[in-house]
Amino acid sequence: GAVVSQHPSRVICKSGTSVKIECRSLDFQATTMFWYRQFPKQSLMLMATSNEGSKATYEQGVEKDKFLINHASLTLSTLTVTSAHPEDSSFYICSANIRGVREKLFFGSGTQLSVL
Amino acid sequence: AQKITQTQPGMFVQEKEAVTLDCTYDTSDPSYGLFWYKQPSSGEMIFLIYQGSYDQQNATEGRYSLNFQKARKSANLVISASQLGDSAMYFCAMREGGGIWITGGGNKLTFGTGTQLKVEL
Repeated sequence: GAVVSQHPSRVICKSGTSVKIECRSLDFQATTMFWYRQFPKQSLMLMATSNEGSKATYEQGVEKDKFLINHASLTLSTLTVTSAHPEDSSFYICSANIRGVREKLFFGSGTQLSVL
Repeated sequence: AQKITQTQPGMFVQEKEAVTLDCTYDTSDPSYGLFWYKQPSSGEMIFLIYQGSYDQQNATEGRYSLNFQKARKSANLVISASQLGDSAMYFCAMREGGGIWITGGGNKLTFGTGTQLKVEL
């Protein structure tokens, strides 16, 4: 079945550094990928919609300059948390769907970011 | 207003019993999709079942079935014959809009707050 690979699964970084998270669709083309954020014991909150070849669409309240999204190819989207701070510590998870397959949205395995 | 409401923060069920996880939703869009996902402690989101707003029959996938009551705007998940491996967080989610999904941009989901299910011996 379709697989979305997310890397890294866990990252610990110092405050002020930038962290890049990759999301790849392994056996299908994903024109759209989605980035979610999840705090402990809470729901997933959509951060942005990543569109191949164009700018990402951010949800209200999400800082575009803080969370840079690049969707350079049909199989890869990246989320860069710039100048990370402890409050950015969270679980980040991406998802992608196969065009025309309405009921299937495939998720990556998530990235646990801890900013010290 | 909450678009997806899961009123049960936690549920317990005995092994081999059936359990129902509640989900109500709110939308004015006549075309929408409802999803259930399972999230074990590892964090991955596992797709369980999907129900389209125009689907005539309730969705079923193995031990999972969705009790879709459109007029009441509810989409409860029923897990039959619970197993210890079913212990996890369960999320109900909704996608609004019908034709957008064709272009790939439509599967933007709104999630409920989740229900933590524990299956006991």
